[in-house]
Amino acid sequence: DGGITQSPKYLFRKEGQNVTLSCEQNLNHDAMYWYRQDPGQGLRLIYYSQIVNDFQKGDIAEGYSVSREKKESFPLTVTSAQKNPTAFYLCASSIQGASPEQYFGPGTRLTVT
Amino acid sequence: GIQVEQSPPDLILQEGANSTLRCNFSDSVNNLQWFHQNPWGQLINLFYIPSGTKQNGRLSATTVATERYSLLYISSSQTTDSGVYFCAVRRDNYGQNFVFGPGTRLSVLP
Repeated sequence: DGGITQSPKYLFRKEGQNVTLSCEQNLNHDAMYWYRQDPGQGLRLIYYSQIVNDFQKGDIAEGYSVSREKKESFPLTVTSAQKNPTAFYLCASSIQGASPEQYFGPGTRLTVT
Repeated sequence: GIQVEQSPPDLILQEGANSTLRCNFSDSVNNLQWFHQNPWGQLINLFYIPSGTKQNGRLSATTVATERYSLLYISSSQTTDSGVYFCAVRRDNYGQNFVFGPGTRLSVLP
């Protein structure tokens, strides 16, 4: 089955630790995205990548880092510099082009205490 | 940047009722999607509809791009329709900056 997988589903960390969230897709999509969702809110774009070895900051990139070494994978690191890291993180992918349709993974709920 | 509004913010329906959800956006767009977020957080694609009308079973959507709004219709609602409905738009032809609305929370009561 083609799709987007995110792991783990739930993640708990102590304050001050970096943590990496996994996102893998087998849809052969060129573009991948990371979003953050806070309770009762919409989604906000953290980073996106249109092609391997290239990525761009979204609206709320501070305190996050990404890499895109493979087409299928776009891991997100939440660093200790992120002031409010507890949130629901969603990964998405799409084909490249002018009007791509996005598809989402199941998300990772990160709790930092 | 582009602003996206959704209305109503909350909606409570009895099973079997019909509803209309609205998405307004502040500038022209070339990409608009409707999503349903289920209680487990999964975002499910409903429609990719930058313009025109589409139907899928009990759901249909219409986007009037020139007037900068889109409507999502749910007919004969079921309890499984409960969740949050988001619209997301994108303006730039070659950028990848999708903007999400705040969502409409729908509760369908048995």
